[in-house]
Amino acid sequence: RKEVEQDPGPFNVPEGATVAFNCTYSNSASQSFFWYRQDCRKEPKLLMSVYSSGNEDGRFTAQLNRASQYISLLIRDSKLSDSATYLCVVNSLPGGGNKLTFGTGTQLKVEL
Amino acid sequence: DAGVIQSPRHEVTEMGQEVTLRCKPISGHDYLFWYRQTMMRGLELLIYFNNNVPIDDSGMPEDRFSAKMPNASFSTLKIQPSEPRDSAVYFCASSHINEQFFGPGTRLTVL
Repeated sequence: RKEVEQDPGPFNVPEGATVAFNCTYSNSASQSFFWYRQDCRKEPKLLMSVYSSGNEDGRFTAQLNRASQYISLLIRDSKLSDSATYLCVVNSLPGGGNKLTFGTGTQLKVEL
Repeated sequence: DAGVIQSPRHEVTEMGQEVTLRCKPISGHDYLFWYRQTMMRGLELLIYFNNNVPIDDSGMPEDRFSAKMPNASFSTLKIQPSEPRDSAVYFCASSHINEQFFGPGTRLTVL
């Protein structure tokens, strides 16, 4: 089983739609969780961290369910510029240590 | 700050040749990571350093791959000899706390 699993998509949605991505991780000792965004032929960039209480940044909401080892990302009122691959990321070392494990990503295409 | 700098941005070489990829991390960052990304396998961690010391190289595919960090501002990833299956985008990233900042990557093609 992969350490971080995501649905690869693609998710094709119309502009203005709400879309949700899910991710599961296998290491129950994981401490930190993130969503990264990667545009085509570019490097990954941090989109947002994911906190146990859930957190929101504008149109983006991230949630964590430690019991189910499940992370989600919700994008509301999607824009054409949201088209990218979204990577679910887990820091799996106890106490941090900065070693991140990346999911293979979910591709989003927002269309007119 | 200019961000993480990688060179070359593109490299095309022939099977059997030595390839050296270079990385300059963000000043003040004490962690440096080398990743490889392919369509089939996604983003894989090859090796990472803390304060110039290799901490975990379990992701290095085989002895053909080696990485060094002689000082806080420079690291290299070397493949010798290169093979067609090494074709991928190689990213370097650096961090201080949690967020990792990635360089633009080196797109390697081995013919």
